[in-house]
Order: sequence, then C-alpha cells, then structure tokens
Amino acid sequence: QAVLTQPASLSASPGASASLTCTLRSGINAGSHWIHWFQQKPGSPPQYLLRHKSDLDKHQGSGVPSRFSGFKDVSANAGILLISGLQSEDEADYYCMIWHTSGFAVFGGGTKLTVV
Amino acid sequence: QITLKESGPTLVKPTQTLTLTCTFSGFSLTTSGVGVGWIRQPPGKVLDFLAVIYWDDDKRHSPSLKSRLTITKDTSKNQVVLTMTNMDPVDTATYYCAHMTLHSDARTFDYWGQGTLVTVSS
Repeated sequence: QAVLTQPASLSASPGASASLTCTLRSGINAGSHWIHWFQQKPGSPPQYLLRHKSDLDKHQGSGVPSRFSGFKDVSANAGILLISGLQSEDEADYYCMIWHTSGFAVFGGGTKLTVV
Repeated sequence: QITLKESGPTLVKPTQTLTLTCTFSGFSLTTSGVGVGWIRQPPGKVLDFLAVIYWDDDKRHSPSLKSRLTITKDTSKNQVVLTMTNMDPVDTATYYCAHMTLHSDARTFDYWGQGTLVTVSS
C-alpha cells in the first residue's frame, strides 16, 4: 500500500469547487503531519501551493490565491486540497507530500485535474 | 529572489555515475533553517524524492536509493552536488533541485529549479 494515495484524475466545471484528496496509509496519522501540496503544469516544474497541519498551522505559498486551501479529514485519514472558483488555468497535476519521521520526503501519485 | 538551476550531462551510459550540480542564488546554505533537495520525475510519471542537505550539513536520502546517492554542498560557490552511481535506464528522468525552508516542524520545498532531463542509454 502506498504511503500517500491520490485519485488519478478528477474533472470539474469552471466556477465550481474541486476537492483533491490525499489519503495516508493506515498507521500514519494524517493529523500529526504537515501535508504539502504542489501544482505542476506540463513542461514546468512543480510549484508549491500550501502546507496544512491544522486550522491553526497552515501556510500559503507566496502569490498563491486564497481560493486554494487545505483541510484535513481526520476520519478518512486524509488531507484535502480545496480549489474554489475553478479556472481553466487550474488544469494541472496536483501532488501531495509528507515528510517521513526518518527525514525523507514522500510524494503521492498525483491527481490530474481537468477543468471542463 | 530565489533561483535554482540544475546542470549536468543529458546522456549517461548504463553503469556510469551521474553528477548533477544545483547552482542557486538569493539565499545562503549557511543560513539556519535552509536546505536544498533533489527530486526526480521519470517521463510521464510521478515525483520521487532523492536527497536533501541542510545548512548544518545534515543529510537525508531516499531509503531505496541511499546506497547509490551522495549529496554535498559548496557554500562558497552556492552549489549542491548530487552523485548517483550505477545508472540504469529506469533512472531516466527530469532531475529537479529545490530550496527547502524549515519553519518549526515544517520543511517545505518552496522554490524549484526548471529541471534537467537525464537519459540513460547505451
């Protein structure tokens, strides 16, 4: 079982909201981890969006619009990236990431978001 | 502003050693709380963490690749060097270096280089 699981794809309409999930493997507590989110468009490097640990511990990347926000679903042991007011420019791959307690980073498999 | 740029060979042969250099500006790797990491991405595939080096010379590696990786820094040149031994075609990927900021217990790759594509083929 992968450490971080993301749905392979998601489609949503312009102006709508999209919730991208990042489920942590059983035994890894989502509530105790910072979950980082990155956006990657074709031919470009990943761009840091935000990190989220709790409602009090969160950080927005420089220049990242507030319509990108992070949440936790503790019952599902997952982090969520919520994108509201979807725009065509939001079409991209989205990756979540955590740091393992041993000090190495782990990325999820990514979600391809299509805005149609 | 913070910028990073990867450099190195675009083509290596199987079993050879890959040496990549990340040259950065806009920050110093002597500053407390700063690190530089390497992440790769095979064509059409997902991101894969390789290694990170911190301002205090602490280093962490991907467990699956640790035996093949060496990461070092040259603070006088503002460079971080990654070497990977015994290259294989499955190591074909775009290799990125990224600036890492440590805030309390959060470590964030907040600035990335454009990446360099390395192909492993005979």
